Amino acid sequence: GAVVSQHPSRVICKSGTSVKIECRSLDFQATTMFWYRQFPKQSLMLMATSNEGSKATYEQGVEKDKFLINHASLTLSTLTVTSAHPEDSSFYICSATPGDLAGIWETQYFGPGTRLLVL
Amino acid sequence: GENVEQHPSTLSVQEGDSAVIKCTYSDSASNYFPWYKQELGKGPQLIIDIRSNVGEKKDQRIAVTLNKTAKHFSLHITETQPEDSAVYFCAASKGENTGNQFYFGTGTSLTVIP
Repeated sequence: GAVVSQHPSRVICKSGTSVKIECRSLDFQATTMFWYRQFPKQSLMLMATSNEGSKATYEQGVEKDKFLINHASLTLSTLTVTSAHPEDSSFYICSATPGDLAGIWETQYFGPGTRLLVL
Repeated sequence: GENVEQHPSTLSVQEGDSAVIKCTYSDSASNYFPWYKQELGKGPQLIIDIRSNVGEKKDQRIAVTLNKTAKHFSLHITETQPEDSAVYFCAASKGENTGNQFYFGTGTSLTVIP
């Protein structure tokens, strides 16, 4: 149980194009989803938190107009990197929390990640 | 805000030996502490977690201990195997119903030498 998928697993695009990454919770409903960015040999950097049906909350320094997040359903969140540039090349990982009646101590389950390379 | 420190950054052990990774946190309100294993090119996988009302938790070869007073928690892996080689991250969370943000440590690269 608690499986999170991401698509695509790897994408190469030209500078200036937009790329959409999907994050799905396969066997549970995710009240909250998170998007992280990870550089080689570094820890996970939280980009934004999204709750189904509401606007995402972005971390300081993350451009909301560049990294568009949509959490349209309890099982799907998307991250769109708009007008991508080489410096956006990174490993993007989503996570999802199932939530429970108490709404506390919600474990995050991570997707397999998406490797983005912008040429 | 919360600050999580993790040590060591790299760790090499002989197969069969034990490995210990330590984390400290700064916010006494944190009450949930998961550990993740990340293999190269993959997303982190939850391997064990502990909540603040428990001092120790064990799952086969993996155990986690928590010292709330000192604000530190540790991951213990016994009888290490080559497949344990990976990067391990600790995290701390307040477990609030506000998005439950995790604060991650900087990671420990564990190498188990056959």
